[in-house]
Amino acid sequence: ETGVTQTPRHLVMGMTNKKSLKCEQHLGHNAMYWYKQSAKKPLELMFVYSLEERVENNSVPSRFSPECPNSSHLFLHLHTLQPEDSALYLCASSQAATGDYGYTFGSGTRLTVV
Amino acid sequence: GENVEQHPSTLSVQEGDSAVIKCTYSDSASNYFPWYKQELGKGPQLIIDFRSNVGEKKDQRIAVTLNKTAKHFSLHITETQPEDSAVYFCAASEGGADGLTFGKGTHLIIQP
Repeated sequence: ETGVTQTPRHLVMGMTNKKSLKCEQHLGHNAMYWYKQSAKKPLELMFVYSLEERVENNSVPSRFSPECPNSSHLFLHLHTLQPEDSALYLCASSQAATGDYGYTFGSGTRLTVV
Repeated sequence: GENVEQHPSTLSVQEGDSAVIKCTYSDSASNYFPWYKQELGKGPQLIIDFRSNVGEKKDQRIAVTLNKTAKHFSLHITETQPEDSAVYFCAASEGGADGLTFGKGTHLIIQP
C-alpha cells in the first residue's frame, strides 16, 4: 500500500447510473488530484484540490463532479457517463501547497461504462 | 499549457544493458521533473525527481539529466534487471498547486 487508497478497484456501470469513486490518503498531504489514464494516451489531469479548495478544472465534462470534504478524502461523482469514459481513474496526493511536488498515487479504479 | 513528449514508446534491452528514455517539454517555466514507474495493476510510483537548478541526479542504477536550453530531460537505467520491466512516465511542472503534465509513457522490456 502506498498510503493512498482507492475504492472500488473495479466498477462497471451503465450510462444512466450514478456512482462515486473514493480516494483516501493517510500521508498528511495537502493537495489531491484526479487523473484519467486511457490506453495510448498520457495521464490526463482532471481536478486538483489544494488545501481543500479546487484550483484546476481542466475543461472536464460536467458528468464528472469532484468533492473534497477534508484534506484526507477525495471523491469523484459520476453520472450519465459515455462508453469513452471507460478508463483507469487514478487519485494522487502531494505536499504541493508547501513546496513538495512529488505525487503518491493510489492503485486506481478501473471503470467500464456499458 | 505544458506539453511533454516522450520517446520511445517501447524499449527492449538485454538484461544487464543500459536503457535511456527521453522527454521534451514546451514550457520554459517548468522547473520540476519527476519520473514514475508503473507496474501492472498498480498506480505510478515516483522513482526519482529533480528540479531545474541541477543538471544531473543519480540514485544507485538510475540517473536523470536535464538540458534546460534544449528543454529536454532523460532517464538512464544501468545494469538493467528483470524487475525493471514496467511502463515509465516522465512529467513536468512549474510547481505550485498545478498538476503535473505527463508524457505518454515508455514500455520497458528487459530480455533475459
